[in-house]
Amino acid sequence: AQSVTQPDIHITVSEGASLELRCNYSYGATPYLFWYVQSPGQGLQLLLKYFSGDTLVQGIKGFEAEFKRSQSSFNLRKPSVHWSDAAEYFCASSNFGNEKLTFGTGTRLTIIP
Amino acid sequence: SAVISQKPSRDICQRGTSLTIQCQVDSQVTMMFWYRQQPGQSLTLIATANQGSEATYESGFVIDKFPISRPNLTFSTLTVSNMSPEDSSIYLCSVVQGPGQPQHFGDGTRLSIL
Repeated sequence: AQSVTQPDIHITVSEGASLELRCNYSYGATPYLFWYVQSPGQGLQLLLKYFSGDTLVQGIKGFEAEFKRSQSSFNLRKPSVHWSDAAEYFCASSNFGNEKLTFGTGTRLTIIP
Repeated sequence: SAVISQKPSRDICQRGTSLTIQCQVDSQVTMMFWYRQQPGQSLTLIATANQGSEATYESGFVIDKFPISRPNLTFSTLTVSNMSPEDSSIYLCSVVQGPGQPQHFGDGTRLSIL
């Protein structure tokens, strides 16, 4: 069965520092991979997606993610975080022909001044 | 992307009652899904809402507890029946606009059962 692992439950970074959130997936020769963000009291917003092609994907709000098949990873990065980036981040996957998403457990990001 | 409206945004309900949550999209979509997010947890898929036919439920979820309707390509409802405190969660609707497109989510319904 498909699974998505986010090893970090909670990460704290200083405003202006760089950020990397980890995501590992299993199952699927060519997975579709996604990062979503959930701010307090809000629904989920799509940050970026990977279907195929260039393994470095640019998203909204200055985020990017890199698909590494050899490591089964799809880590999310941002060079300089802002206080407004404090939120819960979810990695998710699906497969071609099956739009059902499998979510990781999420990583809560705290930003300190 | 499509604009997704969920109603109500939150509710507090009594044990044993039922609540129907609506999901309205401003354009036709190919697929609609319902998720549950229990407090402090990730999202779990309840079912795929099929237009004009019975929903497809995931393991652990049954139609008697979570009846779903999808009468057309822009609207779906999820009913949480005979509620208990364990049903206190956020319920989210998501849509796919077409083949090869990602899922987009509504803002969710925050449900508390007393």
